[in-house]
Amino acid sequence: NAGVTQTPKFQVLKTGQSMTLQCAQDMNHNSMYWYRQDPGMGLRLIYYSASEGTTDKGEVPNGYNVSRLNKREFSLRLESAAPSQTSVYFCASRRDFTGELFFGEGSRLTVL
Amino acid sequence: EDQVTQSPEALRLQEGESSSLNCSYTVSGLRGLFWYRQDPGKGPEFLFTLYSAGEEKEKERLKATLTKKESFLHITAPKPEDSATYLCAVQVGGATNKLIFGTGTLLAVQP
Repeated sequence: NAGVTQTPKFQVLKTGQSMTLQCAQDMNHNSMYWYRQDPGMGLRLIYYSASEGTTDKGEVPNGYNVSRLNKREFSLRLESAAPSQTSVYFCASRRDFTGELFFGEGSRLTVL
Repeated sequence: EDQVTQSPEALRLQEGESSSLNCSYTVSGLRGLFWYRQDPGKGPEFLFTLYSAGEEKEKERLKATLTKKESFLHITAPKPEDSATYLCAVQVGGATNKLIFGTGTLLAVQP
């Protein structure tokens, strides 16, 4: 039962470097999401994809890009990392009709 | 402005000491309220969905209830393994992908 798999689990970047967070789900869900979680802020939506081939901005999209590669995979790219992007990133997929989200274990990113 | 507030921020209980966590919301058109459990270093894990006022859901020692302004997560006779952060989230009407999360309640159950 893999569910939602994220890689890498940990990453340290220098300001200005780029990287891609990978996410894959095996539950055949249409919708996928990227959130960031910061202390005292709750989970905030960065981008989401309602279906293969579509992506939309969430609450905090600046500095990020996404790609919905196929139904299974949804990646998040930081083109030029900034210290403000230090956070824990969660990918999730959404069960159709009932709406509950299934989360990956998170990717902990530090930008120096 | 749509808002979700959880209280208390942290709660320490003795094993067997029942209590409740609160999630209050002010949103335009509630389509569903979700409870999640998050263990340290892990992603949130789905617990319950509530759709309308008066609805209740139960799972082991947990019971979630919903009114028009708030939801409660009641924990009966908790055990140390119930220690976690409990998150609530509200799905707002008219935007199926807009899910607003509260900041969570950190629950510690001591043996």
